[in-house]
Amino acid sequence: QQQVKQSPQSLIVQKGGISIINCAYENTAFDYFPWYQQFPGKGPALLIAIRPDVSEKKEGRFTISFNKSAKQFSLHIMDSQPGDSATYFCAATSPSDYKLSFGAGTTVTVRA
Amino acid sequence: SAVISQKPSRDICQRGTSLTIQCQVDSQVTMMFWYRQQPGQSLTLIATANQGSEATYESGFVIDKFPISRPNLTFSTLTVSNMSPEDSSIYLCSVEAGYEQYFGPGTRLTVT
Repeated sequence: QQQVKQSPQSLIVQKGGISIINCAYENTAFDYFPWYQQFPGKGPALLIAIRPDVSEKKEGRFTISFNKSAKQFSLHIMDSQPGDSATYFCAATSPSDYKLSFGAGTTVTVRA
Repeated sequence: SAVISQKPSRDICQRGTSLTIQCQVDSQVTMMFWYRQQPGQSLTLIATANQGSEATYESGFVIDKFPISRPNLTFSTLTVSNMSPEDSSIYLCSVEAGYEQYFGPGTRLTVT
């Protein structure tokens, strides 16, 4: 079964708006939570990642919020741009094997 | 970070044949992974390939169907054997570098 649950499946946002994608996990051994951005025909690109010892990490317009007690984390894309239109995957891994468990993915469409 | 290349980038193959996909990294890495991404889906781990040891396969994937070689710390191959149309997917290799994982551009395989 899928170890990381991701929602929504897709979202449409106006240029300049905020995109929010949510993920939840069950395995408490997970201790590294990356987000990947994938454009059609390309491999996933590492966007931003967080460890459970911090509740928030920001890189430019991208912010991860992490709630360890709820076992949830989310990606916020601020001031969304048409170039942000892509599929976003959350993932999780543990130090025992570094295997990534991926969420189902969210297709983000930013309308100009 | 790591720069990863894959060959071929895409191929169209007849059922019953085999295809070998190459993955080259620009630096020495211990852990390499092979993933499959079926059309419009998320990524599923096929196997972990560490240099000097046999590849470790995930549930649902077997060595006879997906033999893997890892001859050195910068190179790996994945063979998709006795192909059927259900094998049509994108195959991606990734490497672990300092806890972060980086993906190659993928090989888009179509089986007719």
